[in-house]
Amino acid sequence: AQSVTQLGSHVSVSEGALVLLRCNYSSSVPPYLFWYVQYPNQGLQLLLKYTSAATLVKGINGFEAEFKKSETSFHLTKPSAHMSDAAEYFCAVSEGFQKLVFGTGTRLLVSP
Amino acid sequence: DTAVSQTPKYLVTQMGNDKSIKCEQNLGHDTMYWYKQDSKKFLKIMFSYNNKELIINETVPNRFSPKSPDKAHLNLHINSLELGDSAVYFCASSQDDGRSRETQYFGPGTRLLVL
Repeated sequence: AQSVTQLGSHVSVSEGALVLLRCNYSSSVPPYLFWYVQYPNQGLQLLLKYTSAATLVKGINGFEAEFKKSETSFHLTKPSAHMSDAAEYFCAVSEGFQKLVFGTGTRLLVSP
Repeated sequence: DTAVSQTPKYLVTQMGNDKSIKCEQNLGHDTMYWYKQDSKKFLKIMFSYNNKELIINETVPNRFSPKSPDKAHLNLHINSLELGDSAVYFCASSQDDGRSRETQYFGPGTRLLVL
């Protein structure tokens, strides 16, 4: 079965600093990988997804993620954090047949 | 225009009651899902329907019964509510042929509190 591990339930950064949220996956088939963001009291919104095309994927709001097969990783980065980036971030892997398996989430805190 | 909508947004009820949550999508998608997010924010799929047909049924108690009257709607009925059912329930939809892995679009969630 496929699985996702997100290291760090909380990540704190200062405004303007680099954001790095870690995601490692386990999959027996070529994975599709996703990053979703959840703002307080809202649903999930897709940031970006990897579908076996380019390994560096650019998403919305200045976020990007790099698929590294050798490291089974799909870490999310943003060069400069904004206060509005404070939210919960979920990494997910698709098992096919429409089934998404989510990580436990990482809360990003941004301080002035 | 709301792509995936859910009603109600909040639901507070007593143990033992029966309640329903409704979901509608106007994206023309073929596949709809129900997810449960617990108090620790962990998200897990419960059900998925493709063109009104049940595709995924995780190990969910049979007190939970999804119903899809048409491919734009997927409702969730819960019988004999228990304290442990308190969670946020998310509906989602995607355009799938049953084998591809397309983006899922999520609704705003229904916050259920069982007292």
